Amino acid sequence: NAGVTQTPKFQVLKTGQSMTLQCAQDMNHEYMSWYRQDPGMGLRLIHYSVGAGITDQGEVPNGYNVSRSTTEDFPLRLLSAAPSQTSVYFCASSYSMRRFSYEQYFGPGTRLTVT
Amino acid sequence: GEDVEQSLFLSVREGDSSVINCTYTDSSSTYLYWYKQEPGAGLQLLTYIFSNMDMKQDQRLTVLLNKKDKHLSLRIADTQTGDSAIYFCAESLTGKLIFGQGTTLQVKP
Repeated sequence: NAGVTQTPKFQVLKTGQSMTLQCAQDMNHEYMSWYRQDPGMGLRLIHYSVGAGITDQGEVPNGYNVSRSTTEDFPLRLLSAAPSQTSVYFCASSYSMRRFSYEQYFGPGTRLTVT
Repeated sequence: GEDVEQSLFLSVREGDSSVINCTYTDSSSTYLYWYKQEPGAGLQLLTYIFSNMDMKQDQRLTVLLNKKDKHLSLRIADTQTGDSAIYFCAESLTGKLIFGQGTTLQVKP
């Protein structure tokens, strides 16, 4: 298994540009989520999904969209990038939300800079 | 509200014990976790404790949970330079993980 994969690893955007961060998992996990990590602030939940076709907002959803058309993929879209979105983005997955697994598997992260 | 607090930095000498502390606010959390993040990498689950337990030991790791004070700690015995990383505690709330800010552990040889 490849686990959780994220692309790209690094990205530089100009203010106002849009882009999609890709996330895929091959473990047949129902639950997937996106976090952003900023210095001294830990990880903050952006959006999450409990299964294909179902998404919900986390703590900091503004400026981001998600969709979950398949179990494997959970892309994160930045609609109009802003410097405040400069961060490291992590995708994570776990087996189930109904019987919450004690382990979330994290991808390696995407480091995004918005100038 | 949901809030998890940690101190930001801890420095120890190789061979000493490290104790990383965490406080949380929601008493309905079912699981509490410790994750480790090495430089440039994602987070990896180190250990977890169910909310009806007081202590859990796993090799060099000991987790203590004080439910009354909503205090969680991670003790690493015989700390090695390879333990240098950022350690995050997290609580689970209806399937979401709420993370603390992370404690950077520096291990000096």
